[in-house]
Amino acid sequence: GDSVTQMEGPVTLSEEAFLTINCTYTATGYPSLFWYVQYPGEGLQLLLKATKADDKGSNKGFEATYRKETTSFHLEKGSVQVSDSAVYFCALSGVTGANSKLTFGKGITLSVRP
Amino acid sequence: DAGITQSPRHKVTETGTPVTLRCHQTENHRYMYWYRQDPGHGLRLIHYSYGVKDTDKGEVSDGYSVSRSKTEDFLLTLESATSSQTSVYFCAISDPSYAASNEQFFGPGTRLTVL
Repeated sequence: GDSVTQMEGPVTLSEEAFLTINCTYTATGYPSLFWYVQYPGEGLQLLLKATKADDKGSNKGFEATYRKETTSFHLEKGSVQVSDSAVYFCALSGVTGANSKLTFGKGITLSVRP
Repeated sequence: DAGITQSPRHKVTETGTPVTLRCHQTENHRYMYWYRQDPGHGLRLIHYSYGVKDTDKGEVSDGYSVSRSKTEDFLLTLESATSSQTSVYFCAISDPSYAASNEQFFGPGTRLTVL
């Protein structure tokens, strides 16, 4: 079945550091890929998405490129801020018509110190 | 923000008691989902609904039941709560006519503690 693997955490960075969070997936066909972010005490929010190979999703300075050849969707940001401290989830949605279920990775906690 | 509310937001109950969590949406989305979030497991799907009175099991459905009598409401019931069901529960919605990528929108969560 479908699966998503995220790098182990937590991750602690200093403000303005470069961020990479790795995500790889296993799925049949051509899934859509997502990054969700969860700020403390809140629900998940969609951060960015990509629906086909070589698409780049971007939002709030974050980027991720759908790499089918390496089955990856790594999240990057050039300069993190304290306000980026949150839990980040990689997820995929299989393309099966009526089935729009998401498969999530385990999430990784990012802490950014001033 | 998508119009999704969950009630209650916090609940403490005792082992063996029934518990019902409610998810309400104002977006008229077709699909609704219940997840639980636990440390080290990410989000796991409990049950989902693809229309009124149409539901199906997710990967961790044992001990849970759901009902959807109206488009806007999706109820999750723990018939006899156990300590292993202590968790944070999230409702989500989606609709392929709204987003072909099947992205989901999440509610604020319910923190359930079973003593």
